[in-house]
Amino acid sequence: EAQVTQNPRYLITVTGKKLTVTCSQNMNHEYMSWYRQDPGLGLRQIYYSMNVEVTDKGDVPEGYKVSRKEKRNFPLILESPSPNQTSLYFCASAPDGFQPQHFGDGTRLSIL
Amino acid sequence: RKEVEQDPGPFNVPEGATVAFNCTYSNSASQSFFWYRQDCRKEPKLLMSVYSSGNEDGRFTAQLNRASQYISLLIRDSKLSDSATYLCVVTTWGDMRFGAGTRLTVKP
Repeated sequence: EAQVTQNPRYLITVTGKKLTVTCSQNMNHEYMSWYRQDPGLGLRQIYYSMNVEVTDKGDVPEGYKVSRKEKRNFPLILESPSPNQTSLYFCASAPDGFQPQHFGDGTRLSIL
Repeated sequence: RKEVEQDPGPFNVPEGATVAFNCTYSNSASQSFFWYRQDCRKEPKLLMSVYSSGNEDGRFTAQLNRASQYISLLIRDSKLSDSATYLCVVTTWGDMRFGAGTRLTVKP
């Protein structure tokens, strides 16, 4: 089954404790992306990757890091999480940066 | 000014109604356009792509006007199951911008 898998689905943690949200896709897609969704603000792109070893900042990259060492994985790293990063996060992939994306189920992150 | 502006609604319509959503975008170099549907903070799902010639999928019609930088979605004969938030998406070289979403509630 074609899918984008995010882990964990839910996480409650504390300020300053480094965390990684993993994202994996099994569709051999070149393009992957991370979003956060906050009430009233819609989905905002954090980082995207057009291909392996190529990453670009989206609309709200501050406080986040990503890496794309292999095609299927695109982890999102919060080196020093803060409460304003409490949000619902989605990972997505697409054949390329111009085609519709397939989204993961989301990760609900709470930082206290 | 936001890159993608969308009427937030909410739209409350009876079953069988026709409803239209609009979206404007600011980047004239944008290349791809989509409408997504999102249910109750679940993952967004593609409803349809939007082409300059206009395209239709059953009860749904999407239009793109590049000159006015405007996309639209028309839903005919609304069903209860159409209740959701509708998101317009504009893409420029992989940079994806979402509208804030328009909430639709279809009532019996």
